[in-house]
Amino acid sequence: AQTVTQSQPEMSVQEAETVTLSCTYDTSESNYYLFWYKQPPSRQMILVIRQEAYKQQNATENRFSVNFQKAAKSFSLKISDSQLGDTAMYFCAFMKPPNLIPLVFGKGTRLSVIA
Amino acid sequence: DVKVTQSSRYLVKRTGEKVFLECVQDMDHENMFWYRQDPGLGLRLIYFSYDVKMKEKGDIPEGYSVSREKKERFSLILESASTNQTSMYLCASTKEAAYNQPQHFGDGTRLSIL
Repeated sequence: AQTVTQSQPEMSVQEAETVTLSCTYDTSESNYYLFWYKQPPSRQMILVIRQEAYKQQNATENRFSVNFQKAAKSFSLKISDSQLGDTAMYFCAFMKPPNLIPLVFGKGTRLSVIA
Repeated sequence: DVKVTQSSRYLVKRTGEKVFLECVQDMDHENMFWYRQDPGLGLRLIYFSYDVKMKEKGDIPEGYSVSREKKERFSLILESASTNQTSMYLCASTKEAAYNQPQHFGDGTRLSIL
């Protein structure tokens, strides 16, 4: 069974600074998908960024980027120029095709951006 | 935009009651999921469904059941509510074979069992 580990329960960062959230996973599969989801306080969970395992290039979405190291089974999220609106719970998630297999989530990292 | 609607944001029930949590999605998604979210435990899958009248157990199905009579609606049922089922419940949906597409989540139902 796949497992996802987020080793940082809580983190904080100053506004405009850069922060990196860690995620490791365990799988014997070669083809899979990785996701970072964001859950702002009292708001809906939304997708931040996704990475396909067979793509070597790290995914980037505006201020959000990942450092995907397949051999190390590591998938960290970097947030540049942190903003107050980035304050949220962040969940790392793993999915193995086919789609009948649901997402496996980590336990989450609570990020606070401080003015 | 996909809309996943959960019937209640907050719900208070008593021990032993039968509780229904409803979830409706408007984008003809085949797959629907129910998660439970607890501090320090992340999201844990209770049940999921990949078609009408189909259901699969997730990681923590004990004490719960589900119903999918129509494609757009996925109901979570607490047969006899207990205090340890006090939690945030999240519903999600996704398109069939869209494993590279995100799950779309509802706003969540914060359920308290007294």
